[in-house]
Amino acid sequence: SYVLTQPPSVSVAPGKTAKIACGGNNIVTKSVHWYQQKPGQAPVLVVNFDSDRPSGIPERFSGSNSENSATLSISRVEAGDEADYYCQVWDSGIVVFGGGTKLTVL
Amino acid sequence: QVQLVQSGAEVKKPGASVTVSCKTSGYSFSTLYIHWVRQAPGQGLEWLGILNPSDGSTSFSQKFQDRVTMTRDTSTSTVHMELSGLRSEDTAVYYCASPAPHFQYWGQGTLVTVSS
Repeated sequence: SYVLTQPPSVSVAPGKTAKIACGGNNIVTKSVHWYQQKPGQAPVLVVNFDSDRPSGIPERFSGSNSENSATLSISRVEAGDEADYYCQVWDSGIVVFGGGTKLTVL
Repeated sequence: QVQLVQSGAEVKKPGASVTVSCKTSGYSFSTLYIHWVRQAPGQGLEWLGILNPSDGSTSFSQKFQDRVTMTRDTSTSTVHMELSGLRSEDTAVYYCASPAPHFQYWGQGTLVTVSS
């Protein structure tokens, strides 16, 4: 089955850019979706189809996808961006999530 | 607007079954697939399966296919997920989510605790 690999944690200073990777075999052939989850809350979709932003998501959130890694970028990071982030694909009729990355704002 | 409202928390003993419900509103019930995703304490997201409300067809993760059942009630626009043979490792928050291939809409989550 398809596997998505994320780093367990990423740290970034306020105002800087955070990059969270999501690795998968030839992931560029798939559409990657990203979710933000804060403690005690349901996940929120922040990027879909590699790089599209749903309505209401700040422009600071962006995504890219190439070869074997997709990336979620968060520019001008704020304290409120501290959360867990998950990537997700749809592969052969099943949904696959990455293991999640905890973003810490220093 | 699309809303998914789930049933309340459950406490079950090992070996029992649990049913979690997801009542939908704000759209035509038959038009959006409903998925079930769970999250064990301190862990990541795990997909259980999908139901097509238009015809009731389902598809499950191989990990759960022997223990999970998903049904719908078109009269109340509600989807039900039953997990049988519960064990302690099934303690988790269970979410319904929609549509596909990504999840724009989520229920609030239902905590299922399995404990003797």
